[in-house]
Amino acid sequence: DVKVTQSSRYLVKRTGEKVFLECVQDMDHENMFWYRQDPGLGLRLIYFSYDVKMKEKGDIPEGYSVSREKKERFSLILESASTNQTSMYLCASSWSGSYNEQFFGPGTRLTVL
Amino acid sequence: AQSVTQPDIHITVSEGASLELRCNYSYGATPYLFWYVQSPGQGLQLLLKYFSGDTLVQGIKGFEAEFKRSQSSFNLRKPSVHWSDAAEYFCAVGGGGADGLTFGKGTHLIIQP
Repeated sequence: DVKVTQSSRYLVKRTGEKVFLECVQDMDHENMFWYRQDPGLGLRLIYFSYDVKMKEKGDIPEGYSVSREKKERFSLILESASTNQTSMYLCASSWSGSYNEQFFGPGTRLTVL
Repeated sequence: AQSVTQPDIHITVSEGASLELRCNYSYGATPYLFWYVQSPGQGLQLLLKYFSGDTLVQGIKGFEAEFKRSQSSFNLRKPSVHWSDAAEYFCAVGGGGADGLTFGKGTHLIIQP
């Protein structure tokens, strides 16, 4: 079974803190993605990566950065957390080619106070 | 730009009744279409996908969906719902390359006993 794991299920941070969300996949997938999920807005793509050290902006990259130093690991970084970044963050991975399904992690619910 | 519309935010169905969840997409070329389900507190799980061939696709948990190009639709159906089907359902469209999926805003399914 494909497994995508996220470092925390719940996280509480303070405004201005630097926040790292980690995602690891065990299927040697080329593609990895970060989404945020908000009620009434569905899932929105923040960043994706199609190879190590490669990244592309998604629909809502402002306030976020990413890092992919190893193929299996994709990190989402909030340089200075703000209250409007309180959300559910979902990581996903897939083989190359968008006809391939994406496999999702369980999500990290981040609260910024 | 591609987009997905799920017109129903909430749907309530009696246990044992049939179900249809609507999905309309906008995409310039032949789309890759997906239905995902999200149980409370969980990540997303793929129910089924379409990218070519037979326009009626079968998925897991007894779900099926029909691709209708003329109507730009990919509606999800199940002949008889179970209480465990209560969840959030997302339709998504993907295109060429390694881009992330574009998701609809989701339909919340409530099952009445």
